[in-house]
Amino acid sequence: DVKVTQSSRYLVKRTGEKVFLECVQDMDHENMFWYRQDPGLGLRLIYFSYDVKMKEKGDIPEGYSVSREKKERFSLILESASTNQTSMYLCASTRADMNTEAFFGQGTRLTVV
Amino acid sequence: GESVGLHLPTLSVQEGDNSIINCAYSNSASDYFIWYKQESGKGPQFIIDIRSNMDKRQGQRVTVLLNKTVKHLSLQIAATQPGDSAVYFCAENGSSYKLIFGSGTRLLVRP
Repeated sequence: DVKVTQSSRYLVKRTGEKVFLECVQDMDHENMFWYRQDPGLGLRLIYFSYDVKMKEKGDIPEGYSVSREKKERFSLILESASTNQTSMYLCASTRADMNTEAFFGQGTRLTVV
Repeated sequence: GESVGLHLPTLSVQEGDNSIINCAYSNSASDYFIWYKQESGKGPQFIIDIRSNMDKRQGQRVTVLLNKTVKHLSLQIAATQPGDSAVYFCAENGSSYKLIFGSGTRLLVRP
């Protein structure tokens, strides 16, 4: 059974903390993505990566950075967490040649207090 | 710019009836249009996609229709079941590797 696994289901962090969200996929996919999901706004793309050490900004990259040191792992970093980054974060992966079928993790609900 | 939107935030249907979920898109350059289903507490799951040079594609109990003239996409679910209750997102693969999602429609199935 193919899997995208996010390290935490729920996180509570304080304003100003540096936060790491980890994502691992076991499908040898080339592409990996981080989205945030907010009510009424759907899924908005933060960053994506199409290869190891490669990354591109999505639609809302401000306040975030990413790291992809290994093909199977894609990390999202909140440099200094703020309350407006309270959200559901979803990681996804796709094959390079079949990028319509994304496999998602179960999501991380992050609350910044 | 690229954007995908939905007409209705919530759709309520009787079990056994057919459901139609609609979506409008703005980027005519997308190669594919896609539907995802998100059940409560889970990440979105791929349902079906349609290439931009097609106008209809059928899957198991689902049909996707693409009308490029009016930039409209729909998902039809036949004989809707309680397990179909979820939020449905349309998406398109815009420029580069990106998947761009709409805001979602919640489908409620009444017993």
